[in-house]
This record gives sequence, structure tokens and C-alpha cells, in this order.
Amino acid sequence: DAGITQSPRHKVTETGTPVTLRCHQTENHRYMYWYRQDPGHGLRLIHYSYGVKDTDKGEVSDGYSVSRSKTEDFLLTLESATSSQTSVYFCAISKHQGTQYNSPLHFGNGTRLTVT
Amino acid sequence: KQEVTQIPAALSVPEGENLVLNCSFTDSAIYNLQWFRQDPGKGLTSLLLIQSSQREQTSGRLNASLDKSSGRSTLYIAASQPGDSATYLCAVRPSGSGGGADGLTFGKGTHLIIQP
Repeated sequence: DAGITQSPRHKVTETGTPVTLRCHQTENHRYMYWYRQDPGHGLRLIHYSYGVKDTDKGEVSDGYSVSRSKTEDFLLTLESATSSQTSVYFCAISKHQGTQYNSPLHFGNGTRLTVT
Repeated sequence: KQEVTQIPAALSVPEGENLVLNCSFTDSAIYNLQWFRQDPGKGLTSLLLIQSSQREQTSGRLNASLDKSSGRSTLYIAASQPGDSATYLCAVRPSGSGGGADGLTFGKGTHLIIQP
């Protein structure tokens, strides 16, 4: 257990509503990531963070925003949910320092989001 | 753009057999390669991490090899058990321009079933 908690674990929402998913870590790692997993596409990076208030876009960032006001929390917001955002969302952390990207990624248990 | 391919997509073998899962990647500029297992409805569990300078890593009945120059990795599972049934994912951390901080690029996985 890498000390990662995702909430909620399951959510059903309607098209057009905003949704926020939370990732909480207990180990003060600098790097945090949001991925989505879809059949036929595998895992794809949405956004990542390399420190408090330092974030950047991933491969599939359109329609998503993130915030990191504290080391331990990384929030993913769907500004106006669409059915194409129905997916399983995973948060991950990595403890490498500086530019030594040599540490493994550890994943949370995921949030299953359904947009109706 | 880095692409990761896993073959086969699915595999079913009798209990006790030794087996090999394959992973290939298109760009040899990587920091490391990581193997995960994912059980249905669950998150990803890290199995092995191989740094770009390493040739292999072992953990119990698992052995992962890396041939960076040819863009290949294999995961060898010895004496397979029904509890090994899961989806196995391979992922690389690119080290090319801008790479590293933005996490892993994943293959789509091999769905493994071990028949009792």
C-alpha cells in the first residue's frame, strides 16, 4: 500500500455537471498523476503535478483541470461532464527527486465515473 | 511518440506452466520500464521496475528482462498458479525531449488466465 486514497470510489453524474475527484497521499511525494483507463485505449495521462501549484497537461487533458494546493492532495475536475468522460480514473504517485526519474509509480484503487 | 505494444492480448495456460509475456516499445530513449498486474476492478500493483542500465530484475517467481536497444522486454512467470490470473501491463518512462516528469506510457496489457 503506497498510501494513496482516491475519493469517491464510484460516482454517477449527469451530463453538463461539474465533478471533482480527489487523490490524497500520506507520503509527501512530489510527483502526482491522473490517468484514465478505457477499454481499447489502456491507461492515458490526463494531467500531472511536480509540486504544489505546479501542474502540466498530459495526452488527454481537454475537458479536465487540476489543482494542487497542498503536497498531499491532487484534485481532478471535469468542468462540464460528458458521456465520453465515463471511465475509470487512477491517481499515481512517484517519489523521485529532481530529474532522476528512476522511481516506480504507485497507483490508487481508482474512481469509477459514469456520466449519464 | 512512444508506443508500447503487448503480445499476446490474452493467454490461457494450465497451472504449473512457465510462461512469457512480451512487451515492445518504439523509442529506446527511456529511463526505465515497469511491469504491473491489475486484478478486475482494482488498481495497478507494481511488480518490477527495470532501470535503463539494467538487463533484468527478479522477484520471487517473476523475472523481467530488458533489451533497450531492440525495444523489448519480457516478463517470465515460473510455475504459474491460478492466483496469477490477472491483466499484466507494461509501461515505459520516456527520456526524450520533455520526457520523464510526465510519467509512463502504457501498453494495453495481456489478460492472463491460469487454469486450475
